[in-house]
Amino acid sequence: EILMTQSPATLSVSPGDGVTLFCRASQSIVTNLAWYQQKPGQPPRLLIYSASTRATGIPARFSGAGSGTEFTLTISSLQSEDSAVYYCQQYNDWRMYSFGQGTKVAIK
Amino acid sequence: QVQLVQSGAEVRVPGSSVKISCEAPAGTFKTHAITWVRQAPGQGLEWMGRIIPLRDVANHAQKFQGRVLMTANTSSTTAYLELSSLRADDTAVYFCARDRTGVFDPWGLGTLVTVSS
Repeated sequence: EILMTQSPATLSVSPGDGVTLFCRASQSIVTNLAWYQQKPGQPPRLLIYSASTRATGIPARFSGAGSGTEFTLTISSLQSEDSAVYYCQQYNDWRMYSFGQGTKVAIK
Repeated sequence: QVQLVQSGAEVRVPGSSVKISCEAPAGTFKTHAITWVRQAPGQGLEWMGRIIPLRDVANHAQKFQGRVLMTANTSSTTAYLELSSLRADDTAVYFCARDRTGVFDPWGLGTLVTVSS
């Protein structure tokens, strides 16, 4: 099983600031990585796939980067509605997909 | 817009089974897999497995070996997740999602399964 590790666990950020979330895979997953946003009481929403491609309707302030084992999700100019938990997920191993444990982003 | 409609909340006693459903548009059933993910209260996301309805082929995480059954009815375009030998730590919200080669979008709203004596 490919283990996904996210950091930090929590972040507190002021509106308008930028923030970078990190995700590390236990082995190379090339660019087979997705990011999801989950707000309380809602299902996750796809933000990014193929490590850096924004999903339909996702604002340009969300950007993904990385390959191999190291990945980032950057939110530029944080908005109040960006308060959520963010998960990375690898899909390189079709037999066993896996998620990171999540990063909670709170707005100050 | 693609929507996945899940069945309602369930309450079960330990040792019993539960079967929940996920209705998807016909197009989704013909071209994509349906994946199942669960989330225990206050916890993260856990991938359980997926089924490719058109091929009636499923695979699941080793953790659920012997307890999980994923099926699909192509006539009703509905996928099913059955989990048996339920334990208290199976209490969770169970989500289905359209699975585009490992990318999950969109998701159903989730089905809460509570296991309690």
